[in-house]
Amino acid sequence: RKEVEQDPGPFNVPEGATVAFNCTYSNSASQSFFWYRQDCRKEPKLLMSVYSSGNEDGRFTAQLNRASQYISLLIRDSKLSDSATYLCVVNDGNTGKLIFGQGTTLQVKP
Amino acid sequence: ETGVTQTPRHLVMGMTNKKSLKCEQHLGHNAMYWYKQSAKKPLELMFVYSLEERVENNSVPSRFSPECPNSSHLFLHLHTLQPEDSALYLCASSQDAQGSANTGELFFGEGSRLTVL
Repeated sequence: RKEVEQDPGPFNVPEGATVAFNCTYSNSASQSFFWYRQDCRKEPKLLMSVYSSGNEDGRFTAQLNRASQYISLLIRDSKLSDSATYLCVVNDGNTGKLIFGQGTTLQVKP
Repeated sequence: ETGVTQTPRHLVMGMTNKKSLKCEQHLGHNAMYWYKQSAKKPLELMFVYSLEERVENNSVPSRFSPECPNSSHLFLHLHTLQPEDSALYLCASSQDAQGSANTGELFFGEGSRLTVL
């Protein structure tokens, strides 16, 4: 089983749609969770952290389910500029290293 | 000016060549990293330097040789590479190696896209 697993997509959605991505992780000792965004041919950038109680940043909502070992990212009212690859990142609880998922590609169409 | 700059942006080399990738960070960070990003694969951590000392070497083949002369500069020396080494090589920095594991905050350069013929 991969340490951090994501559906690579692509997810093709119309503007204004709501879209959600899930990510599962294998190490139950993991303590910290994050979503990164990577635009085409650009570097990854931290989008948001994921807190146990869930957190929201504008149109973006991140949630954590420790029991099932998955995190999610919900994007409401999708914009064309949201088109990117979204990387799930998990802090390996044993080594402290950040483990990246393969990424989920989102294409928002007009 | 971007916080982390990498040169060259693109590199094509033969299997017998020797080349180097350069990374410079202008953020005053104490930790620097090399990652490899291949198509359809997750980012793979290659090396971690903290205060110019290598603290992580993720079973990377010896044909990749890192160098960190000071806390602002990081090099990746390449020699006798294989075609499967073709990838995007990303440099990153963080305030400190341990802290980034908790905050998740890594600052990446735009990468050096390497093609090995």
